[in-house]
Amino acid sequence: RKEVEQDPGPFNVPEGATVAFNCTYSNSASQSFFWYRQDCRKEPKLLMSVYSSGNEDGRFTAQLNRASQYISLLIRDSKLSDSATYLCVVNFSGYALNFGKGTSLLVTP
Amino acid sequence: DAGVTQSPTHLIKTRGQQVTLRCSPKSGHDTVSWYQQALGQGPQFIFQYYEEEERQRGNFPDRFSGHQFPNYSSELNVNALLLGDSALYLCASSSRRTPSYTGELFFGEGSRLTVL
Repeated sequence: RKEVEQDPGPFNVPEGATVAFNCTYSNSASQSFFWYRQDCRKEPKLLMSVYSSGNEDGRFTAQLNRASQYISLLIRDSKLSDSATYLCVVNFSGYALNFGKGTSLLVTP
Repeated sequence: DAGVTQSPTHLIKTRGQQVTLRCSPKSGHDTVSWYQQALGQGPQFIFQYYEEEERQRGNFPDRFSGHQFPNYSSELNVNALLLGDSALYLCASSSRRTPSYTGELFFGEGSRLTVL
């Protein structure tokens, strides 16, 4: 069983749409949670952290449910520039980050 | 302010050969982690170096080894290359002064290794 599981997609949505990505993790002792973004053939970059209380950064909202070991990312009013792969990331211990396979998003005009 | 730099950007090797990849961390960072990203997969943690010692290791065989130098730069060495070692190798830097729960790793653009 993979430690971090995501629906790989691809998700094809029109501009302005709302899209949600889900992720589950297997280690109940996980400490920290993040979403990273990776553009095609580029390096991953931190998009946002995820907190149990939920957190928002502009059009992006992240949620964490520790009881269900479930993480989500909601993107509102999608832009063409949002097209990328979104990686769900969990920190179990130390500095090692566990990445999911990523969910591919394509926003079309 | 230079970000994380890696070299070489691309390289081709044959099975059984050895490869060395290099990384210079972001200015002010003292910790270097290496990740392997196979095509269509997320990055997988190889190991982390701090104060010139391997501090944490992922599920990779001993063929994968590394080193950190006094200036915080790092090398990743892979011996006896297999076809399955073909991947993008990402170096990520961070600071021990930054709590791990921030998850803030700064990645280089990677070294793309092809093993034939």
